[in-house]
Amino acid sequence: DAGVIQSPRHEVTEMGQEVTLRCKPISGHDYLFWYRQTMMRGLELLIYFNNNVPIDDSGMPEDRFSAKMPNASFSTLKIQPSEPRDSAVYFCASSPGDFQDLNYGYTFGSGTRLTVV
Amino acid sequence: AQKVTQAQTEISVVEKEDVTLDCVYETRDTTYYLFWYKQPPSGELVFLIRRNSFDEQNEISGRYSWNFQKSTSSFNFTITASQVVDSAVYFCALSVLAFSSNTGKLIFGQGTTLQVKP
Repeated sequence: DAGVIQSPRHEVTEMGQEVTLRCKPISGHDYLFWYRQTMMRGLELLIYFNNNVPIDDSGMPEDRFSAKMPNASFSTLKIQPSEPRDSAVYFCASSPGDFQDLNYGYTFGSGTRLTVV
Repeated sequence: AQKVTQAQTEISVVEKEDVTLDCVYETRDTTYYLFWYKQPPSGELVFLIRRNSFDEQNEISGRYSWNFQKSTSSFNFTITASQVVDSAVYFCALSVLAFSSNTGKLIFGQGTTLQVKP
């Protein structure tokens, strides 16, 4: 099990450019989550999917942010145009739909550190 | 609305001391899950434990133990005989069941930074 895989690990871009973050969830997991971590706001949920369908996108900051999940093994988070205040660490996480396993927890990727200059 | 409060922003201890990280949660749901995650300096989020709302049994795993009390809406985490490698940010989190599903979004506290000095 390779875990949740995110790419790139680091991204530096200029203000106004489009940024695409990628995530591959754990195979068989029905849920996929995108979180953002900043010093000011901590860990906040942006959007989550169930079986590739967006369920709750109320955390998406504004129209510059969009997320897709075209299939069960891939999701993207896109920012267009990017702004310096978007600088943060973006985490992807996945989970199965069954919480019966007591040792289960949401599995997070290693994160993408985005810097917009 | 759901909320998780970790009142301790930073804690500093000397190696081998015991330390307790506090977590208080708010929810009106009767079925929910509580988690602890560790974020070491390398930045990844490492799952430590999950408890279900219907199971108040305390948990011990090596030097780690967790005290879940529904009466006070608390889920505290104790590290016994702390070590330098325990230095990290620790997050408490809450998940309630979404409508007609078995999972929901994870709501995090602000985190407690633990520094263990040699």
